[in-house]
Amino acid sequence: SYVLTQPPSVSVAPAKTARITCGGDNIGSKSVHWYRQKPGQAPVLVIYYDTERPSGIPERFSGSNSGTTATLTISSVEAGDEADYYCQVWDRSDNHRVFGGGTKLTVL
Amino acid sequence: QITLKESGPTLVKSTQTLTLTCTFSGFSLTSTGVGVAWIRQPPGKALEWLALIYWDDSKLYSPSLKSRLTFTRDTSKNEVVLTMTNMDPVDTATYYCARIIAGVYFDTWGQGTLVSVSS
Repeated sequence: SYVLTQPPSVSVAPAKTARITCGGDNIGSKSVHWYRQKPGQAPVLVIYYDTERPSGIPERFSGSNSGTTATLTISSVEAGDEADYYCQVWDRSDNHRVFGGGTKLTVL
Repeated sequence: QITLKESGPTLVKSTQTLTLTCTFSGFSLTSTGVGVAWIRQPPGKALEWLALIYWDDSKLYSPSLKSRLTFTRDTSKNEVVLTMTNMDPVDTATYYCARIIAGVYFDTWGQGTLVSVSS
């Protein structure tokens, strides 16, 4: 089965840029989706189809995907961005949905 | 406004069967391309996809849990029901239902329901 690898944690200072990676075999050939989960809350979709933002998600959130790594970029990081972030793909080979292990974003 | 809400027992015993209901509004499960999925999250751990059901009533299950899961729907009530047999303490988790778009990504999630399994 397909495996998505995320760093367990990323730390960033306020107003700086955070980059959260999601690695997978030839992930650039798949569409990657990203979710934010604040403590005690359900996940919220922040990026879909690699780069698209749902309504209500700030432009500070962007995504990219190429080769073996997809990246969620959060610019001008705010304290309210502190959360766990998960990447997710559809693995066509077995038609299953796969999540990464999650990355805890800490705002210093 | 699209909403989903999970309901079911908060505590089950080992070997029992868990039945969870997801009641949704703001969309129809008969609309092409629409589906509802179940995802769970053990305390402090990552999300795990369990199953999904499509607008045409086709279903898909996680390979690791396929033998224990059954997914049904009642379109007249806007409900889907997931049953999981032979529960074990390792199945303790928050269970979420979510709408899935084009079978690809989950655009709206329920609040989740915590299910604890006692031995």
